[in-house]
Amino acid sequence: KQEVTQIPAALSVPEGENLVLNCSFTDSAIYNLQWFRQDPGKGLTSLLLIQSSQREQTSGRLNASLDKSSGRSTLYIAASQPGDSATYLCAVLHGSSNTGKLIFGQGTTLQVKP
Amino acid sequence: DVKVTQSSRYLVKRTGEKVFLECVQDMDHENMFWYRQDPGLGLRLIYFSYDVKMKEKGDIPEGYSVSREKKERFSLILESASTNQTSMYLCASKWSRVWTEAFFGQGTRLTVV
Repeated sequence: KQEVTQIPAALSVPEGENLVLNCSFTDSAIYNLQWFRQDPGKGLTSLLLIQSSQREQTSGRLNASLDKSSGRSTLYIAASQPGDSATYLCAVLHGSSNTGKLIFGQGTTLQVKP
Repeated sequence: DVKVTQSSRYLVKRTGEKVFLECVQDMDHENMFWYRQDPGLGLRLIYFSYDVKMKEKGDIPEGYSVSREKKERFSLILESASTNQTSMYLCASKWSRVWTEAFFGQGTRLTVV
């Protein structure tokens, strides 16, 4: 059974710091991995999608990497800002090509202090 | 822009009521999902549908059913609401092609009293 783990569960950093969030998964047979952001009481916003054949994706200050063979992904946030404070979730698409399911980690709650 | 809309942001229902949560997407996505999110447990998959009238159980289907009569709409039904179904419910949709991303609605906070 696919399991997704995110470490740390919570993180507090001063503004301007670069930081890394970690995601690991137990079964390397994934189609893709997606990083999301969730603000309190809200839905999920997609940040980055990495295909299983890719090593990394970048969007602005965000860079996500994927090492499928070791079952790991990282989300790198450069020059963090208070507006980055949120919960970050990773999810892997796992299963058959028609009925792949998104399986989530429990998230890392980030606080960026001014 | 892709839009996934859940019919309510907040709902309060009584124990034993039949509850309908509706989700509509406007991008002709084949796959749709219902999750619930609880503190300490993360997002757990209740049901998903890979096409019209097709459905599969997720990890926690007990106490729920679903309906997908039209491609754009996926309904989650609580046959007889109980207090342990108080939660945040999230709907998502995506194309069936595996290289495409999933999009989420804004969530429905359901309280069963």
